[in-house]
Parts: sequence; C-alpha cells; structure tokens
Amino acid sequence: EVQLVESGGGLVQPGRSLKLSCAASGFTFSNYGMAWVRQAPTKGLEWVATISYDGSSTYYRDSVKGRFTISRDNAKSTLYLQMDSLRSEDTATYYCARHGGILRGWGQGTLVTVSS
Amino acid sequence: DVVLTQTPPTLSATIGQSVSISCRSSQSLLHSNGNTYLNWLLQRPGQPPQLLIYLVSRLESGVPNRFSGSGSGTDFTLKISGVEAEDLGVYYCVQSTHAPDTFGAGTKLELK
Repeated sequence: EVQLVESGGGLVQPGRSLKLSCAASGFTFSNYGMAWVRQAPTKGLEWVATISYDGSSTYYRDSVKGRFTISRDNAKSTLYLQMDSLRSEDTATYYCARHGGILRGWGQGTLVTVSS
Repeated sequence: DVVLTQTPPTLSATIGQSVSISCRSSQSLLHSNGNTYLNWLLQRPGQPPQLLIYLVSRLESGVPNRFSGSGSGTDFTLKISGVEAEDLGVYYCVQSTHAPDTFGAGTKLELK
C-alpha cells in the first residue's frame, strides 16, 4: 500500500523560505515520478511540481518557477519541496502523491501559511 | 494547459439515488501509448483526496463497486449507483495525459 507522510509546513512571513518533506513507504520509491499538489483554503486542487523517478527531470507551474525546487533522495525514499520567496498566495495545504500517470497515495498534507 | 470542465458544480442527492458527474476536456486525453490518463478523486470533508477511478474506468483497490467511470476522448463520466452517506464530499477529475496535470474545479455531492 502506498503511504506518504508530508511534513515541514507552518507559519512563515512573506519572502521567507520553507522546506517540505514527504516520506514514502509501501512501494519502490526510486521507480516512480512524484508530484506536489496544493490546495488553498476552500479552493480546489492545483498541481505544483513533478520530478522524474531519478530526479533528472523537473517541472513546475509558472507561478512557482524560480522560487520552488522539487528534489528527491531515493536512498531515503523522501521527496522534498524547497520553497523560497514565499508569497501570501502560496498559502495552502501541500500534498505529495506518487505519479506515473496516476496520482496515487495522497498523504494527509502539510499546511503552509504565508502571513506577516 | 488542458482545461477540465466538471458539471454540475453541486449535486444534491438522497441516499440510494444514482448520480452522474461529467468531466469534459479541452483536448483529447488519449495518450500516444494508448492509455487515457483520466482519473477521479474524492475528497471527503477535512480529508485528503483519495483515488477512486483511474484510466477512465478502473476501480482503485478498496473502492466500492457502486462507483464506475466511463468515457473516451474528451468526455468522461463518473457514476455512483446508489449514493451512501460516506460518499459525500467533493469529486475531482484529473488528467495526466498532457503535462502539466490539471484538475477539474470539483463537484460537491451533498445530501438533499
């Protein structure tokens, strides 16, 4: 069973940084692409970034390009999202999900609040 | 980016009623590899999304068979044959055929 546990969220001031983690288990992490998806309060789901199984390819939504960096450590079965220059509009619950054409194994998410 | 249009935005149902949700895509979701990466998620109140249906019509493990998916190309439907109380929440279609992944705006299923 795919299990994903996000962590690292919290309250942060605009312009500051935060690093999210996603610990994976129940599958061979190094075989799959991974994604971050976020959900602003009372809003729908929004794709943020994707990384290939080996970390060689990364993709970002336009609004986070140059500010967010997705990465992974296959030895630790862990996915990361480094978020710099945070803005109020980045306030959301961030979920990681296993990719491969199907977003599967959603964790509970971690809440990021950007506010002064 | 591919736009997914879900209808209706809100659905009121009684327990036992059968309901359908439509998801229309701005372009065909048939991938060059022959798969159609159109999936359905359910987000219950206060919970993370969960996968219900993948590749248009395949039921995720553990999901009751009152859920079914159908469609092809640009038109897709999720059907619930006999709504139960635990089915209440917001349903999303999501496509992964064309990068980036995009989501429908959601359909909120509530009790009438």
